Amino acid sequence: DSGVTQTPKHLITATGQRVTLRCSPRSGDLSVYWYQQSLDQGLQFLIQYYNGEERAKGNILERFSAQQFPDLHSELNLSSLELGDSALYFCASSTPGPQETQYFGPGTRLLVL
Amino acid sequence: AQTVTQSQPEMSVQEAETVTLSCTYDTSESDYYLFWYKQPPSRQMILVIRQEAYKQQNATENRFSVNFQKAAKSFSLKISDSQLGDAAMYFCAQDASGAGSYQLTFGKGTKLSVIP
Repeated sequence: DSGVTQTPKHLITATGQRVTLRCSPRSGDLSVYWYQQSLDQGLQFLIQYYNGEERAKGNILERFSAQQFPDLHSELNLSSLELGDSALYFCASSTPGPQETQYFGPGTRLLVL
Repeated sequence: AQTVTQSQPEMSVQEAETVTLSCTYDTSESDYYLFWYKQPPSRQMILVIRQEAYKQQNATENRFSVNFQKAAKSFSLKISDSQLGDAAMYFCAQDASGAGSYQLTFGKGTKLSVIP
């Protein structure tokens, strides 16, 4: 158990819908990262938040957005869903420092029908 | 832009034997970290080993060790005394810490099978 929690574990929805994925980082970690794992694109970095502020952005679609709250949990919002958004979405957390390492949550498996 | 290449989509090893998974990367940064993550059928991403680019000494974690060749931009993972539980997808990754971001760039993975 990495200490990072993600809910829900599975999500099935229809095209055009909107969903919210939730992540709670490890205790003491200030950074949260979101990654998407799909068969087509592999593992891709989406976005990073550090202590409530956006720190880095990757290949995140405009239909997707995220935020990190004062209690450091983060949410990834996916809207106008398409079939191609079906993927495993991971959250990872880390604490800055010389031993900075990202620890991954169990992921949320999203299926868009 | 960074790229990470794993040229072996699949590998197999006999139980108790040794196997080496290959990884090459391309970056213009001088300061970065390299990682190997394991993804078993449960799909959980598990950190196997990390290497700081400024350290010449190869990292070791029990049966797992790396061969880090900075000039060649090569970062291979050696698994000794392979066990059935080592069967998984293995991903090589690099962060961009030299550029101020720790986001990870992953290779496409190597599927390791362990033969009893």
